[in-house]
Amino acid sequence: AQKVTQAQTEISVVEKEDVTLDCVYETRDTTYYLFWYKQPPSGELVFLIRRNSFDEQNEISGRYSWNFQKSTSSFNFTITASQVVDSAVYFCALSEFTRLGLGGATNKLIFGTGTLLAVQP
Amino acid sequence: DSGVTQTPKHLITATGQRVTLRCSPRSGDLSVYWYQQSLDQGLQFLIQYYNGEERAKGNILERFSAQQFPDLHSELNLSSLELGDSALYFCASSVGRGAGDEQFFGPGTRLTVL
Repeated sequence: AQKVTQAQTEISVVEKEDVTLDCVYETRDTTYYLFWYKQPPSGELVFLIRRNSFDEQNEISGRYSWNFQKSTSSFNFTITASQVVDSAVYFCALSEFTRLGLGGATNKLIFGTGTLLAVQP
Repeated sequence: DSGVTQTPKHLITATGQRVTLRCSPRSGDLSVYWYQQSLDQGLQFLIQYYNGEERAKGNILERFSAQQFPDLHSELNLSSLELGDSALYFCASSVGRGAGDEQFFGPGTRLTVL
């Protein structure tokens, strides 16, 4: 069964520290996608990154970087030089393309339980 | 702003009542998804529609139903409400139904059942 595990429930750091959020996933499919979303205190879900199962290159976007390792089924997220504005709940999610009967398909997202990141000034 | 709109933003109602949550997807998006976020269950997929047709069901209760209209907006109907239905309900949309399609989330409707 598909599953996403975010073992870190809460992390507290002081501003300018680096922090890594862990994500481990389970899937039997060879084709899948992984996502990270941010949920700030205001409540909306903000897309951060998408990675497909065939692309294991690490990605860097400003202070954010992602490390995808298929060998360990992990897709970890690092924030460098954290800032107070980074305080939020971060969700890792897995999307599988599930082919249904009669030519249909679905790509529901399976979310982890989230990691609450608190960055103290 | 994701381009996905949801109304109302907040809803307070009593047990046993029925409510309707509304979602307008981004212009051009054909898929609409509903998710429920609660303290107990976390973020859970409820149901997906693609171009007016139901595509997949997740952990959606029988008391809940949804539909997608010809103009592609969607409504989630919750009936015989219970205290445990209190949650944040998100609508998301995507262009198609591919696994790699980014899902854009609306701001959510916070439902409180008293």
